[in-house]
This record gives sequence, structure tokens and C-alpha cells, in this order.
Amino acid sequence: EDKVVQSPLSLVVHEGDTVTLNCSYEVTNFRSLLWYKQEKKAPTFLFMLTSSGIEKKSGRLSSILDKKELFSILNITATQTGDSAVYLCAVGIRGNTDKLIFGTGTRLQVFP
Amino acid sequence: ETGVTQTPRHLVMGMTNKKSLKCEQHLGHNAMYWYKQSAKKPLELMFVYSLEERVENNSVPSRFSPECPNSSHLFLHLHTLQPEDSALYLCASSQDRVLSTEAFFGQGTRLTVV
Repeated sequence: EDKVVQSPLSLVVHEGDTVTLNCSYEVTNFRSLLWYKQEKKAPTFLFMLTSSGIEKKSGRLSSILDKKELFSILNITATQTGDSAVYLCAVGIRGNTDKLIFGTGTRLQVFP
Repeated sequence: ETGVTQTPRHLVMGMTNKKSLKCEQHLGHNAMYWYKQSAKKPLELMFVYSLEERVENNSVPSRFSPECPNSSHLFLHLHTLQPEDSALYLCASSQDRVLSTEAFFGQGTRLTVV
């Protein structure tokens, strides 16, 4: 059975801290790994990773994929209160119709 | 604003009611999805439509009935729901059924069944 596991489940930090969120997966027919940020309702897209070892970066956020060890990390440096959200990891599965398999998410709370 | 619009944002319905959730995408995408998000559970894929044809039905009870009249609109018709169906229902769209690019999500409908 395809599964995606995120850790930690929740994280509480102060502004300025650096955090690392983890996502491991066991799936057949891997196509891609995606990170989303969910603040209230709509998950908003952050990154899509398809190749191992190539870091993707957007401002203070960065992510990398290891297809040999089957995991990805999402780093956030110099955290701000606006980074407080649930961060979702999803793995795209190849098929007649591709699917996204989601983890339960990591809830990040950043306090001033 | 992601280009995917869902209505209503909130819905409270009794177990004997019939209601519909609506999703509209303005991105020219060919694939649309319904997901269910319950507390402390991963998003669960319910249905996938590609070019208005249902291509995936993930063992969803028949009290949920999707409809895709065209590639821009997706409905989820609800009838005789149970309290455990209370959840956030999210619509998403992608360029096509091959996820070579990301899926975009709507704001969701928070459904409460009483």
C-alpha cells in the first residue's frame, strides 16, 4: 500500500528559528513529490521535486529529494509568524490516471 | 486566489437533506479532483475527472455523487449523509491526468452533517 509519512506532527518555534520538516514515502511508480502549505483551507503549492539531490529554493524555503532513501525535507530559515501553517507532503503516483497521496501534515506554529 | 473556486464555503445539512457542492476552475485544466480532509487524517482522494470523464472512484459511498458537465465545472451531490461525513471537501485541478505539473486547490467547503 502506498504511504507518505511526515514528521514531526507538530512543531512550535520562535521567530528567527530554522526548521526542518521531513517526509518519507513508500510507493510504487513514483513520479514526483510535492510540498503544499495549508493556512486555513486551500493548500497552496510550494515545490515539486522529481530529481534527487537538486535543491529547490524560494526565498527562505528550500527543499530537496532523496530518491534512494525515499525522503524529502523542507527547510524554512529565519521563520516568521506568517509561516505558521500545516505543511503537506504529497507523492505523485504514475498510473492510467496519476494520483497524489498525501501525508497527514506537519503543523508549524511560529511565535513572536 | 488559485483559480479554483468552490461554493459554498460552509454548509450545515441534516442527514435527510440533499445538497450540492460546486467547483469551478479558470485555468484551462483538463483534470479535476474531489478530496476529503477529515481531522487528523491525510487528504483522501475521492474522484478524478479527466476531460469530463470519471476516471477514478476511490471506493466512495454512493451517497456522494459527482458530476462534471464540462471541463471547467465539477459538482459533488450529497444525499442522506452521515455525521462522519463532516469534513473539509477540497476541489483541485491539474493540467491533465498526468501530474507533470502541480495540482491547484480551491478554498474548500466545510461540511457539517447534523
